[in-house]
Amino acid sequence: DADVTQTPRNRITKTGKRIMLECSQTKGHDRMYWYRQDPGLGLRLIYYSFDVKDINKGEISDGYSVSRQAQAKFSLSLESAIPNQTALYFCATEGRGLYNEQFFGPGTRLTVL
Amino acid sequence: GENVEQHPSTLSVQEGDSAVIKCTYSDSASNYFPWYKQELGKRPQLIIDIRSNVGEKKDQRIAVTLNKTAKHFSLHITETQPEDSAVYFCAASIYGNQFYFGTGTSLTVIP
Repeated sequence: DADVTQTPRNRITKTGKRIMLECSQTKGHDRMYWYRQDPGLGLRLIYYSFDVKDINKGEISDGYSVSRQAQAKFSLSLESAIPNQTALYFCATEGRGLYNEQFFGPGTRLTVL
Repeated sequence: GENVEQHPSTLSVQEGDSAVIKCTYSDSASNYFPWYKQELGKRPQLIIDIRSNVGEKKDQRIAVTLNKTAKHFSLHITETQPEDSAVYFCAASIYGNQFYFGTGTSLTVIP
């Protein structure tokens, strides 16, 4: 089945380290998103991309960067991780057009010590 | 930007009772309102959605209502079952671009 995958699934790192979270999809979708989930805060959009040459900031992009290497791959980087970036990170994909469902990956649990 | 508020943050109901979760939004241009369900340790998945040209939509035991004038929409689950226990998120967007999610409601169905 076409799916959205994320690597790693769990990661523990230290303050100041650079870390990359990767997302791959076999759904053939053009649109890809990165969210973070924190208890009591819901899902907040970090960055999104509508195609390979398109990158847009979301609500909370500070401290993050992204790369859309191909239609199927969208990576999120933390250049210098800090403890308040400890969260559950989700990648999501969406097809073209209007009113489409977003399909989420399984999530990456990141802990910054 | 859009601001979506969701209430309550937690909800406990007896099996067989109904559950209602309410969301309000701020941007009158928003016209697409999906609801996602996230079971413990799992990814969010779409369960129902509604567009602004419709006031109500049903799918078996779940329904969503929309009041554009008041800028609020609600999820209704009837005859709740233990497998309905999960976190539910509402969202608002314009034509499905850039979803703004609510903060989530943790629903517990007590057998």
